[in-house]
Amino acid sequence: GDQVEQSPSALSLHEGTGSALRCNFTTTMRAVQWFQQNSRGSLINLFYLASGTKENGRLKSTFNSKESYSTLHIRDAQLEDSGTYFCAAANNNAPRFGAGTKLSVKP
Amino acid sequence: NAGVIQTPRHKVTGKGQEATLWCEPISGHSAVFWYRQTIVQGLEFLTYFRNQAPIDDSGMPKERFSAQMPNQSHSTLKIQSTQPQDSAVYLCASSVDWAEQYFGPGTRLTVL
Repeated sequence: GDQVEQSPSALSLHEGTGSALRCNFTTTMRAVQWFQQNSRGSLINLFYLASGTKENGRLKSTFNSKESYSTLHIRDAQLEDSGTYFCAAANNNAPRFGAGTKLSVKP
Repeated sequence: NAGVIQTPRHKVTGKGQEATLWCEPISGHSAVFWYRQTIVQGLEFLTYFRNQAPIDDSGMPKERFSAQMPNQSHSTLKIQSTQPQDSAVYLCASSVDWAEQYFGPGTRLTVL
């Protein structure tokens, strides 16, 4: 079955607001990675975590391996944050991807 | 550092023809991964190599698809007798270890 369950599938935010994306894992994962896929289709690395929390600007990500989930928090959303966000998680094999969250940021 | 290089960026083939997609990983990266992305199926894992050896090909269709990594500087994904359902963006990624990945721009394959 699916190992990576990502939610929500779609999210609409107004500029300046924030929200959280989540990935739940059905098996124990060693690490998680978050990507943004932009309008050209490029997958941009956001975070790679083996544990704990990382922050970069308006983005923050947490990985709780014990409880099998990871979150990506976006604050003060900007128009350029629009795109599809993916998490990918790995145990001892190649990383598997969630289905993605399509984020639309509106003025 | 040019990042992961994929060629061609776009390929159009006729049904039944062969398509070969190329990937050049980031220098020094020991693992290479192939994924396929479609609107319906999302991002699907196909196969991966570590130190040029095939490690996991559990995502590869059993027929017509094959992947090689003849040296540390490139990998190929070959699709024989292409079918319209093979149309997708094929993505290659590389990593120093098996987890943190860096993706190429992808090859958009269209089978007419």
